[in-house]
Amino acid sequence: DSGVTQTPKHLITATGQRVTLRCSPRSGDLSVYWYQQSLDQGLQFLIQYYNGEERAKGNILERFSAQQFPDLHSELNLSSLELGDSALYFCASSETGGNNSPLHFGNGTRLTVT
Amino acid sequence: AQSVTQPDIHITVSEGASLELRCNYSYGATPYLFWYVQSPGQGLQLLLKYFSGDTLVQGIKGFEAEFKRSQSSFNLRKPSVHWSDAAEYFCAVGALAAGNKLTFGGGTRVLVKP
Repeated sequence: DSGVTQTPKHLITATGQRVTLRCSPRSGDLSVYWYQQSLDQGLQFLIQYYNGEERAKGNILERFSAQQFPDLHSELNLSSLELGDSALYFCASSETGGNNSPLHFGNGTRLTVT
Repeated sequence: AQSVTQPDIHITVSEGASLELRCNYSYGATPYLFWYVQSPGQGLQLLLKYFSGDTLVQGIKGFEAEFKRSQSSFNLRKPSVHWSDAAEYFCAVGALAAGNKLTFGGGTRVLVKP
């Protein structure tokens, strides 16, 4: 158990809808990351937050947004969903935001868009 | 920008045999390198990491990896595989830019024959 909690585990929704994925980091970790895993794109970095502030941005679509709250949990919002957004979305956390701070991954949220 | 290549998509090994997974990276400076393992339905678990120093690093579950700067490689090895090692393995490189963005390879799926 990594200590990172993601909810829900599974989500099925229709095209055009909006969903929110939630992540609670390991106790003591200040940084949260979101990754998307799909068969065709592999693991893609979306965005990183550190202590409530955006720290780094990757291949995150404009329809997607995220935030980290004062209690350090994070939410990833996906809107105007398309079939191609179906994927496994991972949250990870690390103690600091630096690149020598290993990431600890949650078990992911599997999103299916129909 | 950094990139990671894992040339082998699938590898099948017999239980008790040795295993080597290849990883080649592209990065302009000294990289931070990681190996993660993903079991079915699970998140990614850190096996080992290289930041600096000894180029042979030991990880959990009996794995080790060797950093070879001249070959831009960070291959993962295990002397004797167990059936429980069947999983997908990801090599990743960390950026030195702000944040802790990890770039992952496409993964190698390991199947273990009895």
